[in-house]
Amino acid sequence: QVQLVESGGGLVKPGGSLRLSCAASGFTFSDYYMSWIRQAPGKGLEWVSYISGSSSHTNYADSVKGRFTISRDNAKNSLYLQMNSLRAEDTAVYYCARDGESNGGDFDYWGQGTLVTVSS
Amino acid sequence: QSALTQPASVSGSPGQSITISCTGTSSDVGGYNFVSWFQQHPGKAPKLMIYEVSNRPSGVSNRFSGSKSGNTASLTISGLQAEDEADYYCSSYTSSSTYVFGTGTKVTVL
Repeated sequence: QVQLVESGGGLVKPGGSLRLSCAASGFTFSDYYMSWIRQAPGKGLEWVSYISGSSSHTNYADSVKGRFTISRDNAKNSLYLQMNSLRAEDTAVYYCARDGESNGGDFDYWGQGTLVTVSS
Repeated sequence: QSALTQPASVSGSPGQSITISCTGTSSDVGGYNFVSWFQQHPGKAPKLMIYEVSNRPSGVSNRFSGSKSGNTASLTISGLQAEDEADYYCSSYTSSSTYVFGTGTKVTVL
């Protein structure tokens, strides 16, 4: 069965850095685009970034462009999000999600999320 | 990229049908058939309910259906049940090769 497990969240000061990880299992990881999606406390969903199966294509929301970097290691079935220059408004639960067969945002599997809190 | 516009709340009695709208622009909802809908219960991860405007993933009840007209997509829940009470989000692919989510709709079963 498909499983996505995020880790790496925690409390960080404004301007600090954090690296999130997502361990995938139960499917051929390299065949799928993967995304990070976040949800601030009590707020809606916000797409953050995606990466293609071969890592050749990436894209970012304007709100994180230049500060966040998405990457993957297909040999380790792992997805990553390097977050630099963190701001209070980056506080959220961060989910990793698999983009399904249509490759058009049909995020068919999600992890349980990892909470990132940016505060002094 | 601005969030797609959804009504903040929609309610209905058990057995009734409700429809949630999702309004974007020609650069997202109106320009592509990559509109998805997600259900989220409190404290849980979102669940895919509809993809490519009107397709249901395996295991999702046929009480859920999707459609699109112009820049507005819609999710209809027929035969409303207590378990359908949740937050619902639409999403769309955009002309910037990104994705955008809707503002979210809280569905209440009276």
